[in-house]
Amino acid sequence: QKEVEQNSGPLSVPEGAIASLNCTYSDRGSQSFFWYRQYSGKSPELIMSIYSNGDKEDGRFTAQLNKASQYVSLLIRDSQPSDSATYLCAADGSARQLTFGSGTQLTVLP
Amino acid sequence: ETGVTQTPRHLVMGMTNKKSLKCEQHLGHNAMYWYKQSAKKPLELMFVYSLEERVENNSVPSRFSPECPNSSHLFLHLHTLQPEDSALYLCASSQVNGGAGETQYFGPGTRLLVL
Repeated sequence: QKEVEQNSGPLSVPEGAIASLNCTYSDRGSQSFFWYRQYSGKSPELIMSIYSNGDKEDGRFTAQLNKASQYVSLLIRDSQPSDSATYLCAADGSARQLTFGSGTQLTVLP
Repeated sequence: ETGVTQTPRHLVMGMTNKKSLKCEQHLGHNAMYWYKQSAKKPLELMFVYSLEERVENNSVPSRFSPECPNSSHLFLHLHTLQPEDSALYLCASSQVNGGAGETQYFGPGTRLLVL
């Protein structure tokens, strides 16, 4: 069974620090990887997508992909209290399906 | 926020009721999805409609029945549900182009409570 694993947290960081969120996946055939942010009571919203090995930066967010290690991470620089949310990692598979991890709850302390 | 809409936003139903959830996407996408999100569990894909083809998760009970009359509308018909079906039901859409990186965009969800 294809799986995406994340530490459930909660992960707490002080305001201004770097938050590091990690994810591993089991399907070596996965090509596309996504990070979604989900505020409590809301639906997931896309933060980053990454398809190639290496780093991809977008503002304060950096996604890192290592296909050999089957590892994806998301770094949030200069963390703000508004970044407090659950972060979902997802990997693609067959038939247009995304497999999601159970999410990491991040709290940024003022 | 308004690219994918869902109604109702909240629903309380008894186990003998029949109800339907509605989803509409305004993004011109050609694939739509139903997900179930229960507390502390990963998002669970229930159904996919992509290019007029339906793909389903074989573990979804038959008391859930999807309908996709066109590429913009998706329904989830509910009947004789169980209390464990209480969850957030999310609709998503994407543009299938045969390549990688088909981002899915989510609606706001329907919070369902089965009594």
